[in-house]
Parts: sequence; C-alpha cells; structure tokens
Amino acid sequence: DAGVIQSPRHEVTEMGQEVTLRCKPISGHNSLFWYRQTMMRGLELLIYFNNNVPIDDSGMPEDRFSAKMPNASFSTLKIQPSEPRDSAVYFCASSTGTVRSGNTIYFGEGSWLTVV
Amino acid sequence: QQPVQSPQAVILREGEDAVINCSSSKALYSVHWYRQKHGEAPVFLMILLKGGEQKGHDKISASFNEKKQQSSLYLTASQLSYSGTYFCGTEFPGYALNFGKGTSLLVTP
Repeated sequence: DAGVIQSPRHEVTEMGQEVTLRCKPISGHNSLFWYRQTMMRGLELLIYFNNNVPIDDSGMPEDRFSAKMPNASFSTLKIQPSEPRDSAVYFCASSTGTVRSGNTIYFGEGSWLTVV
Repeated sequence: QQPVQSPQAVILREGEDAVINCSSSKALYSVHWYRQKHGEAPVFLMILLKGGEQKGHDKISASFNEKKQQSSLYLTASQLSYSGTYFCGTEFPGYALNFGKGTSLLVTP
C-alpha cells in the first residue's frame, strides 16, 4: 500500500512568494495532521483534521498559514506570504480513528522548504 | 503541551545501553515513541496506552508511569542502526499527538 504522499519534496522560494504544500493521506485514514520540524522547536503540530474537518488549528503560527482538506484524499498547507523563518521540513501524517484512540500516526517523507 | 525529553543528545559505543526520558505537565492518555533517521520521516516504534504498561521491540523497550506522567525508552546493547533522533509523542484527551524536541542518539563502533 502507498504511504502518505507529499509534494513537493523540496521547494526553494523567495520571501513574499506563496507556497503550497500538498498531501495525500493513506487510503482509509480519516485523521490528517500537518507538522513542522525545525532544529529549534522540534516537531510541532500545526493542524489536525478529522473526517476532513479542522479540529485543532491552535498550532498554526499566524494568519499567513492556512490549511484545507477538500476531500478525504487531499490536503494543502499554504503559506502566503512566505518568510525566511518559515524554512523548515513540513510533514503530513495520517491515521485511522480519532485522537484519544492510541492509533499509530504514519508520516510522509516531508516537504523541505527554504525561503530565501 | 509539548513533552520534555532528556537528554538532548547521547553518544554511545556499540553494545552500550541508553535511557531516554519523556515527561509531561499534564495527565497523559498515551505515549508514542518514534525514531527518525537523518533526512527521513519519523518511523513508529511503539505506543503505550496504560499506566504501568511496558512494551518491547527487539532490544528497545519502554515504560509508562501514568502517575508521574513520564515515559522512558530503554535501548539495550545498542547497535549502529539505532542511531537517529528519538521522539516521544504525548496524547491528551481531545488533543492530537504532540512531540518533544527529540533526543539525538549516535552509536559509534
């Protein structure tokens, strides 16, 4: 079975540009997560969807960040405008069930974003 | 709500043991352990769901002390392949999994 699929794998963009990261969760998984990883802050949860509905977006840093999940097989994380401090690895992950169910979270390979 | 991991980094010789700790300021529902190799995605190791629970995975095991809101990961007779960054993830009722900053483990020959 295919795992979580993310694109692009690597993105270099100029400050001020819009960045869109894409994710296809594992088929049959109804929970989707976006995480950001940096050396300073480790692996941070940005937003969590369950059945395509955003449940917890308290980790989204500011209004420049937005995430959507229009259907069960696709999600996007958008940064507009991008800033150098947004440079990080962005992971999408999915799982079955809901939180508080102890289900394993499966990560995609990550999108490496560099904003110059 | 990010759990606190210690130590931040460990260097071991092959065959030595290590313990990585994870603590939370809030009551935990579960603890998840992941390992990440450089440039790769985190990979699931194990979940501990109940206080007092212990699990093992080859020579890697973990415990969960619900009362102390702590979990520990034990790596016994470490192998070169154990090198990587270990993350604990903590789950609270109603909240998604939050990870600590990670513990970097390097096993040398």
